[in-house]
Amino acid sequence: NAGVMQNPRHLVRRRGQEARLRCSPMKGHSHVYWYRQLPEEGLKFMVYLQKENIIDESGMPKERFSAEFPKEGPSILRIQQVVRGDSAAYFCASSRDRNQPQHFGDGTRLSIL
Amino acid sequence: QKEVEQDPGPLSVPEGAIVSLNCTYSNSAFQYFMWYRQYSRKGPELLMYTYSSGNKEDGRFTAQVDKSSKYISLFIRDSQPSDSATYLCASEGYKLSFGAGTTVTVRA
Repeated sequence: NAGVMQNPRHLVRRRGQEARLRCSPMKGHSHVYWYRQLPEEGLKFMVYLQKENIIDESGMPKERFSAEFPKEGPSILRIQQVVRGDSAAYFCASSRDRNQPQHFGDGTRLSIL
Repeated sequence: QKEVEQDPGPLSVPEGAIVSLNCTYSNSAFQYFMWYRQYSRKGPELLMYTYSSGNKEDGRFTAQVDKSSKYISLFIRDSQPSDSATYLCASEGYKLSFGAGTTVTVRA
C-alpha cells in the first residue's frame, strides 16, 4: 500500500529555469495539497486541488507558481523562472476527502544555483 | 495571530523519560487536532488524530485536548532514541496550520 509518492526527491535548477515537482497521492485519495517548508520555518500551505480542479490556491505566490491535478496522472507543482528564494522543501499531502487527515510524501528538495 | 503556536524547544531527554509537548490554538471553533512526527529529510508522518476534548492513547503516545484553555498536548512515555524527531501540531481544516515544531532528542 504505497504512500504519497513525490519525485524527484532532489532537484537542482539554475536561476531562470523551470522546476516541475510531481506528486502521486495515496490509492483512493482524490484530494491533494502542496506545502512549502523554508529552512528553519514551519510548513506553509500553498494550494489544495481535487481532480481537475483547484479548490484553494490562497497560499501560492501569484506569479511564477502554478499547480494542476489532471484526471490522469500525478499532481504537478510548476515554478517558472526560479529564483534563489524558491529554494525550499516542497511537500505534497493527500486525503480521502477534505475532512480526513492528510498523509504526506517525503518531499522534493529544490535548490537554486 | 497564528492559528497554532507551539513551544519551540529543542528538548533533550534521557531514554525512558516522559516527553511532554504543548501547543495552543486561537480558534475556539476547532474540533480536530493532529500531531505529526517528522524525521530529518522526511515528510511529516501522522501520529495522532484527536477530536474535541479529552485524551487519546496509542501505545506509548497520549494526545490531550483541553478546549477550555485551547491547549493541546502530546506525551510520549518510556521515550526511545527512535523517538528523536521534530513533532508538529496542527489544527483542523484542509489548510493545515502547523506549529513551528519541537525538535526532541532522546539520549541513549
